[in-house]
Amino acid sequence: AQKVTQAQTEISVVEKEDVTLDCVYETRDTTYYLFWYKQPPSGELVFLIRRNSFDEQNEISGRYSWNFQKSTSSFNFTITASQVVDSAVYFCALSEAMTTDSWGKLQFGAGTQVVVTP
Amino acid sequence: SAVISQKPSRDICQRGTSLTIQCQVDSQVTMMFWYRQQPGQSLTLIATANQGSEATYESGFVIDKFPISRPNLTFSTLTVSNMSPEDSSIYLCSVGGQGSTYEQYFGPGTRLTVT
Repeated sequence: AQKVTQAQTEISVVEKEDVTLDCVYETRDTTYYLFWYKQPPSGELVFLIRRNSFDEQNEISGRYSWNFQKSTSSFNFTITASQVVDSAVYFCALSEAMTTDSWGKLQFGAGTQVVVTP
Repeated sequence: SAVISQKPSRDICQRGTSLTIQCQVDSQVTMMFWYRQQPGQSLTLIATANQGSEATYESGFVIDKFPISRPNLTFSTLTVSNMSPEDSSIYLCSVGGQGSTYEQYFGPGTRLTVT
């Protein structure tokens, strides 16, 4: 069975501080996909990144970066120089690979609430 | 990226009634999913909407309570039947991903309150 653990319920930081969100996953599949989503107070889910299990390269997108480590089954997310607009709930999710190039239903972690204060 | 719309965006319903939520995608997609997010909780998959066949339900969800239709590759409906206050949640439609064309996008959600 698949499982995603986000042990941090809430993280509070002051603006411009860095914040790292932990995500640990369990799966028996050798091929799978990992995702991060942002859910701001307005409620919509915003896709941030998808990573497949073949690709362990870390990724940086602006102030966001992701550290994928298969050896520890972790896919951590760092926000550098946080801003008030980063305040949201962040979800990590896991999906089995339907084929080498497609994925299906998502198993979500519990989410981490990030609160950034000015 | 796929553009997904949902109707209604929110509703307040009385216990014992039913509500049908519509999900429309701007392009044909193979996989569509329905998720529920209870207040303050994470997202839980209700079912996979299969085109031309019955939906595949996850453990804890049954067709009598959450009937789903998928008449074509761009549209699906989820009905929440015989509602109780415990059904108050956000219901989200999602399309599955393939290659670099689609990520797993979500619709804006339907915020349901049952009184």
